[in-house]
Amino acid sequence: AQKITQTQPGMFVQEKEAVTLDCTYDTSDQSYGLFWYKQPSSGEMIFLIYQGSYDEQNATEGRYSLNFQKARKSANLVISASQLGDSAMYFCAMRESWGGGGNKLTFGTGTQLKVEL
Amino acid sequence: NAGVTQTPKFQVLKTGQSMTLQCAQDMNHEYMSWYRQDPGMGLRLIHYSVGAGITDQGEVPNGYNVSRSTTEDFPLRLLSAAPSQTSVYFCASSLTGGVSGELFFGEGSRLTVL
Repeated sequence: AQKITQTQPGMFVQEKEAVTLDCTYDTSDQSYGLFWYKQPSSGEMIFLIYQGSYDEQNATEGRYSLNFQKARKSANLVISASQLGDSAMYFCAMRESWGGGGNKLTFGTGTQLKVEL
Repeated sequence: NAGVTQTPKFQVLKTGQSMTLQCAQDMNHEYMSWYRQDPGMGLRLIHYSVGAGITDQGEVPNGYNVSRSTTEDFPLRLLSAAPSQTSVYFCASSLTGGVSGELFFGEGSRLTVL
């Protein structure tokens, strides 16, 4: 089973509108972290937002917010007031304990967002 | 202000050649890892390390070796390159191995194996 599922390979949004990028996850751990990263065409990975499994409030960072629904195992990213510079690939990821004192960040396959005028 | 530094940024190899991708971080992070990114597959973990002298395999370790002799450096070695190893490689680090805390990524190394 996929650990992280992003069902939207591509999305379009008009500039200044809000957009939601979907992410569902699968884990049996009680303690885990959920992350969103942005990858522009230049290729670097940019951290956007983090949500801990025990956090009761949804995380927010500027125009980014994470709609965390623990019972449904979903962690959707909401971008408000989209800008042309938001056009990029967006990855949802989960960090969970993985034995031996280590852990791994498991990524979804990404959503390509295109912001249009 | 260096963060995570990867070299080289681009490399072309012939099948069977060996090479090392270098990764260095100056943030005194305990946890370091290597990922590969292939189209349509997100990023997949190759190897990781929770501290100097400690390494372990990720989900796609075959064909790659790592070592961690210092906190700062975590090189990835390809002993005998194969076309299937054509990919973009990312090194990442975090302060601890816990489930919270972001991973800081290098800029990536694009490897082509002919």
